[in-house]
Amino acid sequence: ILNVEQSPQSLHVQEGDSTNFTCSFPSSNFYALHWYRWETAKSPEALFVMTLNGDEKKKGRISATLNTKEGYSYLYIKGSQPEDSATYLCAFTNSGYALNFGKGTSLLVTP
Amino acid sequence: GAVVSQHPSRVICKSGTSVKIECRSLDFQATTMFWYRQFPKKSLMLMATSNEGSKATYEQGVEKDKFLINHASLTLSTLTVTSAHPEDSSFYICSADYGGSSYEQYFGPGTRLTVT
Repeated sequence: ILNVEQSPQSLHVQEGDSTNFTCSFPSSNFYALHWYRWETAKSPEALFVMTLNGDEKKKGRISATLNTKEGYSYLYIKGSQPEDSATYLCAFTNSGYALNFGKGTSLLVTP
Repeated sequence: GAVVSQHPSRVICKSGTSVKIECRSLDFQATTMFWYRQFPKKSLMLMATSNEGSKATYEQGVEKDKFLINHASLTLSTLTVTSAHPEDSSFYICSADYGGSSYEQYFGPGTRLTVT
């Protein structure tokens, strides 16, 4: 079992605030780092897959960075909206297949 | 695109009975599918990797005779929980490998199993 830690566990922000979460993972034998957005009763939605140290990816107001040497990734949300409320999961793989998940960061954005 | 369905979404069964959960990739073919489970306040944990046309690979601590996996086609994998016990009550979720170099896995919505 590969230890993946996410922080904070939960976060409550006001609409319009920008926020960020952290995912830390083993820095050895890195293959890929995934971010998912998971709303209750729905399928986890793939946000990003990052494979190279220094990768930065962006999707609308959401962006992510990757540091494989020190074993962390940040997810940023700019100008949070209530529809951003969800659990954000990161998952590390050293094989390209089996994903090792963190417990997630639960985000609540209130108007 | 890349939709994965899972059925049923919720099931309650009596102790000692068996339950089958289906995972389907609706608009792509998946050579490999994965089964995860999540206990309360815990991470999603990989149970097994299911390859079309061959035997599944189980993670350490997961009983292959209890959790039967069949991946008979490129769009369907099934997980059967045999002789279910209350401690098998959990959230089971599948994912399908999209293939290519994207490394992406697409998830179903999950199945909540309660064993009474």
